[in-house]
Amino acid sequence: SQQGEEDPQALSIQEGENATMNCSYKTSINNLQWYRQNSGRGLVHLILIRSNEREKHSGRLRVTLDTSKKSSSLLITASRAADTASYFCATDSYGNKLVFGAGTILRVKS
Amino acid sequence: NAGVTQTPKFQVLKTGQSMTLQCAQDMNHEYMSWYRQDPGMGLRLIHYSVGAGITDQGEVPNGYNVSRSTTEDFPLRLLSAAPSQTSVYFCASWEEGHNEQFFGPGTRLTVL
Repeated sequence: SQQGEEDPQALSIQEGENATMNCSYKTSINNLQWYRQNSGRGLVHLILIRSNEREKHSGRLRVTLDTSKKSSSLLITASRAADTASYFCATDSYGNKLVFGAGTILRVKS
Repeated sequence: NAGVTQTPKFQVLKTGQSMTLQCAQDMNHEYMSWYRQDPGMGLRLIHYSVGAGITDQGEVPNGYNVSRSTTEDFPLRLLSAAPSQTSVYFCASWEEGHNEQFFGPGTRLTVL
C-alpha cells in the first residue's frame, strides 16, 4: 500500500507562477523526499527533509514538513516550462525502503 | 560515471516466457533496489539489496527473483511472465547513510 498521497493529481499553471504540491502520509517517518520524473525518464532526487526539520530550501524549491499532520508540501517558485514533469513524494520509514506516492503531474505553460 | 544503467530499454514477452532485466551502477553504492511503475500508482518496491549476497523483499515481490553477486550488478528475473507484469521497471542505487536514491532510465516491459 502507498504511504504518500499527493494532491493535486494534476496541476496546470502559467510560466512564472508558483506551483504547490502536497503530500500526506500515514505512519511515522525518518525523512521525506521529493523526486521529479520527466516523461519517459527515471526519477531525479530533488530534496530531502528529515523528521526533525520543518522547512528546507534548495534554489527555487521550498519544502515544508508537518509531522503532527503527517503532511508535506513542495513549492516551486517562478516556474519554468522546463519544470513540466511528474513530482513524487517518498517516505523513508523503515531504513532501506522508500514508499512513493502516486505523484502530481505539473504542466507549466509558456 | 555512467551512474545507473538498465538494459534493455524495451522488451515484449509472451506469457510464460522468462527474462532478466539488467541493472548496473558504477558509484560503488552498497544499496540497490527494483521498482515497478504502473499508471496512477507511483513506484512500488519489488526487491532490494543492502550489499553483495544480501537481498530482501519489497512490497510486490511475487513473480520476481533477484540476486546480488557483485556490488555493481543487481539483475531482476521474471521466471514466467504474466500480463500483470506489464509495467515500467526502474532500478536505483544509493550510498549507505545517504538517503538520496539514483535511478536508472527504466525498462518498459510488455507481456502479451
